[in-house]
Amino acid sequence: KNQVEQSPQSLIILEGKNCTLQCNYTVSPFSNLRWYKQDTGRGPVSLTIMTFSENTKSNGRYTATLDADTKQSSLHITASQLSDSASYICVVGILTGGGNKLTFGTGTQLKVEL
Amino acid sequence: EAGVAQSPRYKIIEKRQSVAFWCNPISGHATLYWYQQILGQGPKLLIQFQNNGVVDDSQLPKDRFSAERLKGVDSTLKIQPAKLEDSAVYLCASSLELTVNTEAFFGQGTRLTVV
Repeated sequence: KNQVEQSPQSLIILEGKNCTLQCNYTVSPFSNLRWYKQDTGRGPVSLTIMTFSENTKSNGRYTATLDADTKQSSLHITASQLSDSASYICVVGILTGGGNKLTFGTGTQLKVEL
Repeated sequence: EAGVAQSPRYKIIEKRQSVAFWCNPISGHATLYWYQQILGQGPKLLIQFQNNGVVDDSQLPKDRFSAERLKGVDSTLKIQPAKLEDSAVYLCASSLELTVNTEAFFGQGTRLTVV
């Protein structure tokens, strides 16, 4: 069964600190891995997209890593800001004849406090 | 560039009533998705369209849910009759043609409460 598991389920950090979120997947055949940020009451917004051959990708203060051998990914947030408070969702895609089929994790709820 | 538009933003209905949601994808996007996101969970795919054809509806409860994509552009998702467990946010997303790195853009969602 294709699954995407994330940890921790929730996290509270102080503003300015760094944090790392984890994602393990069993989706097969793997095509791509994405990290999305979802603010409360909003739709998810893409942060990074990585294919099998990529092992790191950055988007500003967000850096994602991918180990396709161990089927693990992480999202590192540097110098956190209050606006980083959101749910971060790991999404694994497989490419089918009808396009990308995305399997979503349940997300890590991050809260950044003063 | 305009984003994915969804309406209504919120809907409250009684169980056994019917409800419909509307989605207007980004212009030129061939692929359209409907997701159900229950509170505290990640989105779950209900149906995926490629232009006006269905490519995946394996997780759509077809006894009560239906969806169509008119002329390969706008789409509607209908629930008839609604159950309490249908309370969720219904997200619409769209993306360009079939490439590995195709980004999916999401609308703000419709929050449905069934009472």
